[in-house]
Amino acid sequence: DVKVTQSSRYLVKRTGEKVFLECVQDMDHENMFWYRQDPGLGLRLIYFSYDVKMKEKGDIPEGYSVSREKKERFSLILESASTNQTSMYLCASSFLWTATNEKLFFGSGTQLSVL
Amino acid sequence: KNEVEQSPQNLTAQEGEFITINCSYSVGISALHWLQQHPGGGIVSLFMLSSGKKKHGRLIATINIQEKHSSLHITASHPRDSAVYICAVKASGSRLTFGEGTQLTVNP
Repeated sequence: DVKVTQSSRYLVKRTGEKVFLECVQDMDHENMFWYRQDPGLGLRLIYFSYDVKMKEKGDIPEGYSVSREKKERFSLILESASTNQTSMYLCASSFLWTATNEKLFFGSGTQLSVL
Repeated sequence: KNEVEQSPQNLTAQEGEFITINCSYSVGISALHWLQQHPGGGIVSLFMLSSGKKKHGRLIATINIQEKHSSLHITASHPRDSAVYICAVKASGSRLTFGEGTQLTVNP
């Protein structure tokens, strides 16, 4: 079974700190995604990557950056954490079996609290 | 108006009932995903649809591309089906747009 592993389940940081959220997948998937999930807003795409060293902004990239130096690892960076970045962060990877059959795999999520 | 609307937002059912969750979207899409999220956060992919119908166990998903509508049905519901069910559509590239989810509670 494909595994998408997020490094921390819960994280508490202070305003202004630099925060790294790590995500590793073990099935050689090209596509990897970072989402945040907030009550009443659903999942929103922060950044995604479709290959090593490639990245594209999602719908809410402000205040975030990403790094994909190796295919299996996709890191989300909060350069200077702020309280409005308190949220559940979910990493996902995907593989397109055919044009009409894609499988999505999610990590367990990291609940980040910024105080 | 959100691009993806789910209904109902909350649904409570008795064990054994037939359940339907609806998803409507406003843009042309290439595919639609149904996802399940249990308490604690983990999300599992249930189906990806681009046309017609798919079935897996007690779960059935249908999509009508012309009407921009999909339904997720659960037959013979069970308390372990209690979860948030999320619809997500793919309009272009690899991006998905998500609905807010439907909280399903199945009571014994």
